Amino acid sequence: ETGVTQSPTHLIKTRGQQVTLRCSSQSGHNTVSWYQQALGQGPQFIFQYYREEENGRGNFPPRFSGLQFPNYSSELNVNALELDDSALYLCASTQGGAPTNYGYTFGSGTRLTVV
Amino acid sequence: AQSVTQLGSHVSVSEGALVLLRCNYSSSVPPYLFWYVQYPNQGLQLLLKYTSAATLVKGINGFEAEFKKSETSFHLTKPSAHMSDAAEYFCAVRNSGGSNYKLTFGKGTLLTVNP
Repeated sequence: ETGVTQSPTHLIKTRGQQVTLRCSSQSGHNTVSWYQQALGQGPQFIFQYYREEENGRGNFPPRFSGLQFPNYSSELNVNALELDDSALYLCASTQGGAPTNYGYTFGSGTRLTVV
Repeated sequence: AQSVTQLGSHVSVSEGALVLLRCNYSSSVPPYLFWYVQYPNQGLQLLLKYTSAATLVKGINGFEAEFKKSETSFHLTKPSAHMSDAAEYFCAVRNSGGSNYKLTFGKGTLLTVNP
């Protein structure tokens, strides 16, 4: 079975630009979450998508938005980039609705640098 | 609201010595608890999880953790450290029940293993 795949692995953007990060969930998983991990910090929950709808959001402004597609892959979009958006962005998938599955499979992340 | 505190941002041990990484949680409902490991430039790998079954949980690579409700703790241990254990370790909590699988992470503990 394939794991979670994220692209690109690294990205450099200029302040004020927009960026799209992509994630392919693990086979059989229908729920995707995104996390932001700043340098030296633990991951922070951005939002979660289940069956193409957002069903949970952390303390991130509306310029952070997302999509989930019918094949359960997902995108994270960030508008009006700020220097503080520089971080490792992690995507994680799980099987929603399955009460015995309480863990996520994480991808290797996209390292975003805003200059 | 749920939270996690990891005591000690950096722990250094000798190869073959006991590894003890501390985690205390706060949760208004019965929690699910996790330990993840992150190697440089990689995503998060699940070491073990507590989901209200046995309080002593065994994970991969010889790690285990004990859930102590009275102490609100979930410390990670390994009897004998190996050089390959050097990495960053994150404790995370999730509320049991519901459809939002948000994980709240601690700030992480960097484990160094000396030869």
